[in-house]
Amino acid sequence: DVKVTQSSRYLVKRTGEKVFLECVQDMDHENMFWYRQDPGLGLRLIYFSYDVKMKEKGDIPEGYSVSREKKERFSLILESASTNQTSMYLCASSTRSGPTDTQYFGPGTRLTVL
Amino acid sequence: KQEVTQIPAALSVPEGENLVLNCSFTDSAIYNLQWFRQDPGKGLTSLLLIQSSQREQTSGRLNASLDKSSGRSTLYIAASQPGDSATYLCAVHMDSNYQLIWGAGTKLIIKP
Repeated sequence: DVKVTQSSRYLVKRTGEKVFLECVQDMDHENMFWYRQDPGLGLRLIYFSYDVKMKEKGDIPEGYSVSREKKERFSLILESASTNQTSMYLCASSTRSGPTDTQYFGPGTRLTVL
Repeated sequence: KQEVTQIPAALSVPEGENLVLNCSFTDSAIYNLQWFRQDPGKGLTSLLLIQSSQREQTSGRLNASLDKSSGRSTLYIAASQPGDSATYLCAVHMDSNYQLIWGAGTKLIIKP
């Protein structure tokens, strides 16, 4: 059974804190993605990675960075959390064979920044 | 720029009814279109994927259609059940691009 896990289901942080969100997949997938999901806006891509140590900006990378040191792990970093980063964060992975391969999602992390 | 729209944002129907969820997109140069389901507190699960050359895909009580020229897709759910209650999202892949462009979803409630 394919599995994408995220380190926390719920997280509460203070403005200005550095926040790490971790994502691990056990499917040996090349591609990994970080999205945020807000009511009425759907999913928006923050960053994605198509290989170890490789990263590409998505639609809304500002205020975020990522790290992929190992194939199975993709981390999202909020350098200095702000209240407008309160959101649901979803991680996904897929194979590299092309857009025909679906993305597999983790359960999400609901982050609240106070 | 591609935009994906899902209307309505929410839908409530009695159990047993057949229903249709709608998805529209502004740029017809898509590679494929996917429908996903999201349960509360959970991630997304892929339901159906339709390639740009296909007209429809079926899985059990679900049937998804695609009309590229008009920029529309529908997800048909037959004989709805309370367990079908979830948020349904559609997403399109543009040509030669790994990115998915997402609709905001339709929240479906099936009343017993």
